[in-house]
Order: sequence, then C-alpha cells, then structure tokens
Amino acid sequence: AQSVTQPDIHITVSEGASLELRCNYSYGATPYLFWYVQSPGQGLQLLLKYFSGDTLVQGIKGFEAEFKRSQSSFNLRKPSVHWSDAAEYFCAVGAGGGGNKLTFGTGTQLKVEL
Amino acid sequence: NAGVTQTPKFQVLKTGQSMTLQCAQDMNHNSMYWYRQDPGMGLRLIYYSASEGTTDKGEVPNGYNVSRLNKREFSLRLESAAPSQTSVYFCASSVQGDSVLGYTFGSGTRLTVV
Repeated sequence: AQSVTQPDIHITVSEGASLELRCNYSYGATPYLFWYVQSPGQGLQLLLKYFSGDTLVQGIKGFEAEFKRSQSSFNLRKPSVHWSDAAEYFCAVGAGGGGNKLTFGTGTQLKVEL
Repeated sequence: NAGVTQTPKFQVLKTGQSMTLQCAQDMNHNSMYWYRQDPGMGLRLIYYSASEGTTDKGEVPNGYNVSRLNKREFSLRLESAAPSQTSVYFCASSVQGDSVLGYTFGSGTRLTVV
C-alpha cells in the first residue's frame, strides 16, 4: 500500500527566506506525486505534480519540487517566501490505473513571519 | 465558475441525527471522492466512485453511505451521527479513475456532532 510521510508538522520562516517542505513516500513502482496547498477555510488547490520525465517540476505561485527516487522523496521548495504563502501544505501519492486513489500526508503548517 | 460545489458549508448535528452532504461537479469528471480531514491526520478517504454507477469503500467508511446519483452528483450520508464524525468533509473529482491528473476539491463542509 502506498503511504506518505511529512515529518514537519509546523514550519516558520521569515518573509523573503527560502523554503523547503519535506515529503517521503512509499510505493513499489514509479509513483504519481502531488503537492496541494490549503488556505484557511478553503479546499485544496493543486500546486504541482510529477508522474514522469524531468525530476524537477515547476508549479504555480513560484513553487517547485524535485523527485528523488533514491531517497523516496518529493520535497517542495520556494526561493523566496511571501506572507501570502502561509497555509497548510499536503503531499500526496497516487498510482496509475483506473479507480486508483490519492493518499495524503498529514500536512505541514507554514507560518510566515514578517 | 467551473468546479466542485459542496453543500452545506457548516452543519451542527445532535448525536443520532442523520444528514446528507451534497456534492456536485460541472467539469464532466468521471471519478468522485469523499475525504474527511482531522487535525494531525491529513485527509482520509471515506468512499469513492470511479465512474457513474459504481462506489467503493475507502480507508474509513464505517458510519457512512454514499450515492452516485448521476455523473455530476455524489452524496455522503450519515445515518446516525456520532461525535467521532465531527470533521471537515471534502468532496473531490478527477477526470478519470487514474489519479495522474490530480483532483479538484470543493471548499468543504464543517460538521460538528454534539
């Protein structure tokens, strides 16, 4: 069965600083990997996804993530954080094939200090 | 605007009461999902429908039932609500059962059972 671990429950960064959110997955084959963001009181919005090809993927809002098969990781990065990036971030893993579902991590709450 | 619409946004129930959470999507997606979100536990899949006319259990189906009314609508029913079902419920849809394209989420229903 697939699983996702987000080891950091809370992270605080200063505005303008760089950001890296960690995600480790468990899946036997090549996974489909996703990062979602959830602002307070809102649903989840897709930031970026990886399922093949270049292991560095670009997403919306200036975010990027790198797939590292050897480390079973898919860490999310941003070079310079803005106050509006404060939110909860979820990593998710899925697999191909009809009827398959996404498995989500427990989330990382990002706080941005001005 | 195209997307996933959930109703109601907020609900308070007494223990033992029943209710149905409604979800509709207008993106012509084949697959639909119900998740619950609890602090520190991320999103957990309750039920899903890979295509119209089919439904399957997810990770935490006990105490819930679903109906895929047509391609657009997927409802979640609590027959006898319990305090343990206090949560935020999210409906999501995807183009097909294959999760490669990710999901589109609704804005959630915050349910409190007292």
